[in-house]
Amino acid sequence: SQKIEQNSEALNIQEGKTATLTCNYTNYSPAYLQWYRQDPGRGPVFLLLIRENEKEKRKERLKVTFDTTLKQSLFHITASQPADSATYLCASHASGGSYIPTFGRGTSLIVHP
Amino acid sequence: DVKVTQSSRYLVKRTGEKVFLECVQDMDHENMFWYRQDPGLGLRLIYFSYDVKMKEKGDIPEGYSVSREKKERFSLILESASTNQTSMYLCASSLTQGGDTQYFGPGTRLTVL
Repeated sequence: SQKIEQNSEALNIQEGKTATLTCNYTNYSPAYLQWYRQDPGRGPVFLLLIRENEKEKRKERLKVTFDTTLKQSLFHITASQPADSATYLCASHASGGSYIPTFGRGTSLIVHP
Repeated sequence: DVKVTQSSRYLVKRTGEKVFLECVQDMDHENMFWYRQDPGLGLRLIYFSYDVKMKEKGDIPEGYSVSREKKERFSLILESASTNQTSMYLCASSLTQGGDTQYFGPGTRLTVL
């Protein structure tokens, strides 16, 4: 079955550094990969989408890459700030028009001042 | 801006009660989803709907039912609430088939005593 995995351990970094979060997928070929941010007690909020034919996408301090050879997406936050502390979820849809996404369990990012 | 609202942020019910969770979206989205989210388990899909009066089971439909009488409204029903249904419930909507950004509501924290 299709699987999407994120590191369950929290990532702790110092303010100003680049945070890098990983999303790995197995047994399918995603048409898209999406990244969401979730704050405690709130619903996830969409951040970025990258398609299977794109290598990289940027939005302000955020960058997402998509490596179909490694079956992996990396999510980077440059010049991280304590306000970036949250859980980040990746999600994907399989190729072929499925509109049911598969979500990873999320990785918690903690940015220390 | 897409808005997804949920009827309650916090709800406390007793075992055996019938519980209604309501979700409304204001952007004419085709697809609507109900998830539950538990620590360590991530988002799990309960039911989804791709059109009015249409519904499909997700990964964990047991103990739940849904209703979609109007395009903008998707209700989740717990026929007889049990303590193992204590969870955070998240509603989401998306525009089209073929995979699209999901817009989440703020969530309902349900406690069943």
